[in-house]
Amino acid sequence: GAVVSQHPSWVICKSGTSVKIECRSLDFQATTMFWYRQFPKQSLMLMATSNEGSKATYEQGVEKDKFLINHASLTLSTLTVTSAHPEDSSFYICSAIRSAVDEQYFGPGTRLTVT
Amino acid sequence: AQSVTQLGSHVSVSEGALVLLRCNYSSSVPPYLFWYVQYPNQGLQLLLKYTSAATLVKGINDFEAEFKKSETSFHLTKPSAHMSDAAEYFCAVSETHNNAGNMLTFGGGTRLMVKP
Repeated sequence: GAVVSQHPSWVICKSGTSVKIECRSLDFQATTMFWYRQFPKQSLMLMATSNEGSKATYEQGVEKDKFLINHASLTLSTLTVTSAHPEDSSFYICSAIRSAVDEQYFGPGTRLTVT
Repeated sequence: AQSVTQLGSHVSVSEGALVLLRCNYSSSVPPYLFWYVQYPNQGLQLLLKYTSAATLVKGINDFEAEFKKSETSFHLTKPSAHMSDAAEYFCAVSETHNNAGNMLTFGGGTRLMVKP
């Protein structure tokens, strides 16, 4: 089946630094990927829609200058958390749309801890 | 605007017992509805989805859900729980009418515990 990977699976960084999270579709091309964040014991909240070759579309309340999204190829989208703060600590999950079968596949998530 | 409410953040059943996880939605247009399962430290796996075809939807691992428009519900059931069913379950709604489920709004999740 289709696989979506994320790297790293977990990361700890210091406050003020930036962290890049990668989302890859391993066996299919994805023109559309989504980024979600999930706080402990809470549901997933859509952050942004990542479209290959164009600017991401951010949900209301998500700072586009803080959460930089780049979808430079059909198999890779990156989320960079800039100037991270402890409140950015969360589980970040990406998903990718496999257009050929009209299905959405989720990555395993990246746990970010900002100290 | 769309929203999803999952009644019961925790549900505990005995192995072999019926599983019932409740989901109610609000949508300004006929919705597409999804159930996902999440195992610890993993991404979401699609269990089943309703996309305006049959109201009773069968998914993987013997799960099924019934879309009831009059009740704005999409409850998830399984006749007999297995220990391996213990996980977090999320109901989600989409108004974009894309089978893949673009722009999903998730419910708060229900943690299913299965007792031996």
